[in-house]
Amino acid sequence: AQSVTQLGSHVSVSEGALVLLRCNYSSSVPPYLFWYVQYPNQGLQLLLKYTSAATLVKGINGFEAEFKKSETSFHLTKPSAHMSDAAEYFCAVSEGTSYGKLTFGQGTILTVHP
Amino acid sequence: SAVISQKPSRDICQRGTSLTIQCQVDSQVTMMFWYRQQPGQSLTLIATANQGSEATYESGFVIDKFPISRPNLTFSTLTVSNMSPEDSSIYLCSVGWGDFDIANTGELFFGEGSRLTVL
Repeated sequence: AQSVTQLGSHVSVSEGALVLLRCNYSSSVPPYLFWYVQYPNQGLQLLLKYTSAATLVKGINGFEAEFKKSETSFHLTKPSAHMSDAAEYFCAVSEGTSYGKLTFGQGTILTVHP
Repeated sequence: SAVISQKPSRDICQRGTSLTIQCQVDSQVTMMFWYRQQPGQSLTLIATANQGSEATYESGFVIDKFPISRPNLTFSTLTVSNMSPEDSSIYLCSVGWGDFDIANTGELFFGEGSRLTVL
C-alpha cells in the first residue's frame, strides 16, 4: 500500500528566504508523485508532478521538486518565498495500477513573514 | 484542464438530515472521484463515481451513508445521509482523464469543495 509523510505540519519562512517542504513516500511500485496547493477557502491546485521522466520537476509559481528514489523523497522547494505563497501544501502519491486514487500527506501550512 | 463547479459551496445542516452535493464539469471526463477533508486533516478518497453503474467505495465508506450517482460524463452527485457532527467536512469532487502516459499523467483536478457543518 502506498503512503505519504510530510515532515512538519507548519513551516514558517521570511519573505525572500528558501522554502523547503518535505515529503517522503512509500510505494510498492514506481510512483507518480504530485504537489498540490490549497489557498484558504479554495480547492486544490496542481503545482507540479513527477511521472518517471526527469527527476527534477519544475512547476508553477517558481516551485520545483526533486524525486530521489534512494531516499524515497519528493521535497518541494522555492528559492525565494513570496507573501502570496502562504497556503497549505499537500504531497500526494498515485500508483500506476490505481489511477486517480491519490494518497495525500497530512499537509504543510506555509506561513511567510514580511 | 477542467472547470469544476460544486454546489452548494457551503451549508449548515441539522443532525439526521441528508444533503446532496452536485459536481458539474465543463467537459467530458473519464474519471470522477469524491474526497473528504475533515477539519485540520488531509484528503481521503471516499469513492470513484462510475458512469452508469454503482460507485466503487474505499474502505470505511459505504453506499448507504454516501450514495453517489454519475448519470453522464460531466456530472455526479454525492449524498451525505443521516448526518452527524462527525460528517462536518469539506467534500471535494475531482476529475481526471485516462491512463498514465505522456499526455495524461494522471493528475487530478479539484473543485473548490463543499463545506458542510452539521449541528
